[in-house]
Amino acid sequence: GENVEQHPSTLSVQEGDSAVIKCTYSDSASNYFPWYKQELGKGPQLIIDIRSNVGEKKDQRIAVTLNKTAKHFSLHITETQPEDSAVYFCAAIAGNMLTFGGGTRLMVKP
Amino acid sequence: DTGVSQDPRHKITKRGQNVTFRCDPISEHNRLYWYRQTLGQGPEFLTYFQNEAQLEKSRLLSDRFSAERPKGSFSTLEIQRTEQGDSAMYLCATGLSTDTQYFGPGTRLTVL
Repeated sequence: GENVEQHPSTLSVQEGDSAVIKCTYSDSASNYFPWYKQELGKGPQLIIDIRSNVGEKKDQRIAVTLNKTAKHFSLHITETQPEDSAVYFCAAIAGNMLTFGGGTRLMVKP
Repeated sequence: DTGVSQDPRHKITKRGQNVTFRCDPISEHNRLYWYRQTLGQGPEFLTYFQNEAQLEKSRLLSDRFSAERPKGSFSTLEIQRTEQGDSAMYLCATGLSTDTQYFGPGTRLTVL
């Protein structure tokens, strides 16, 4: 089955700096890669996703890149704000189920 | 708020008791998924429905777990004879396609 590795597990940045989270996946059949933000006590919230026929996608301060050959994808957050502090999960789908990475706790210091 | 609702939000029970959770999907979503999330980990897939048919089950779903989606709308997840290891957040997600999944707020289960 699919295996998704995510790093770093924790990331601390100063407000206004950029944050990058990286993930690798194992199943070459995976074709959809969403990113979720999870705040304490809440369910995961979809923030951006990318499909295998696209190399990069951007939505305001958030961007995701995908390298299918290397089987890795990354989340980039620019101009970080304190409200970006949360746990971020990458995921990959092959078939019907999402396989999640272990999560990255992002802390944005004011 | 994604439009997916779950009830209850919190459940505390004693070991050996049965519990049932409910998920109400976004109305037009025909696909419904259950995941389990333990502290500090990503969600893990449990089971998947397309309309009322349960099409996939994880090995994590022991015989004490059962899920239903009788009319293709809301779904229930029942855990019988709960164990302390069942303590986790149980998440429901729904979608229209095989890809995009929208999660509810989850039900946090604590087994004493």
